[in-house]
Amino acid sequence: GQQLNQSPQSMFIQEGEDVSMNCTSSSIFNTWLWYKQDPGEGPVLLIALYKAGELTSNGRLTAQFGITRKDSFLNISASIPSDVGIYFCAGRVRSGQNFVFGPGTRLSVLP
Amino acid sequence: DAGVTQSPTHLIKTRGQQVTLRCSPKSGHDTVSWYQQALGQGPQFIFQYYEEEERQRGNFPDRFSGHQFPNYSSELNVNALLLGDSALYLCASSPSWGGRTDTQYFGPGTRLTVL
Repeated sequence: GQQLNQSPQSMFIQEGEDVSMNCTSSSIFNTWLWYKQDPGEGPVLLIALYKAGELTSNGRLTAQFGITRKDSFLNISASIPSDVGIYFCAGRVRSGQNFVFGPGTRLSVLP
Repeated sequence: DAGVTQSPTHLIKTRGQQVTLRCSPKSGHDTVSWYQQALGQGPQFIFQYYEEEERQRGNFPDRFSGHQFPNYSSELNVNALLLGDSALYLCASSPSWGGRTDTQYFGPGTRLTVL
C-alpha cells in the first residue's frame, strides 16, 4: 500500500527561527494536506494543495506541492511557542480515494 | 458554526467487550470518515460513510463496523475488543459538493483504552 515518510521525525528550534519539513511518497499523489495536532486533540487542517508546483500560504506557514507529485514541503517562518505540536502530511492518489497520513514531525520551540 | 463533535471523550473497556463511538459532522458536511491513531503514529483510515453507506474501507477487520444516519451523523462500532484496539479514534467530515470536497476536518477524538 501507499506509505508516506516525513522528515525530520522531530526537531528542536529556537523561537524566531524558520522551520522546514517534508513529506515523501513512493506513489504519485494528486492532493496533499498538512495538519497540526496538539496533545489530546484532533488534527487541524493547515494547508491543502491540489496541483503540482502549487505554493500556498496560510499566515507564517507556506506549503508546496512537489513537481514530481511524490513530495510536499511545509515551511514555518519566525516560529513562536504555539507552533509546538505534531505536523502531519496526508496525501491521496486520486479523487474519491482515502487519504494516507505520514508518521508526523514533532516540533518543539525553545524560548 | 459547530465543528466536528465526538462522544464520548474517553472510554475504558475490557478485552472482549463491544464499544460504540459517535460523531456529528461539521455543519454542511455529508461525508464522514473514521481513523484510528495509535500513540506516536499518524491516523490510519478505517472507513468512510456517504449517503448512509460504507463507501471505502481501509485495512481493518470486520470487527470494525459503522453506520451513518439520515442527519449525516455516524457511529463506529468495535466488537470483541483487543488490547491493540487502544487508540485515539478520530472522526473527520467533508462535503461531497461545492468544489473542494477533499478537505477533511477532524473532531477532537475519543480516547479508547482496552484493559
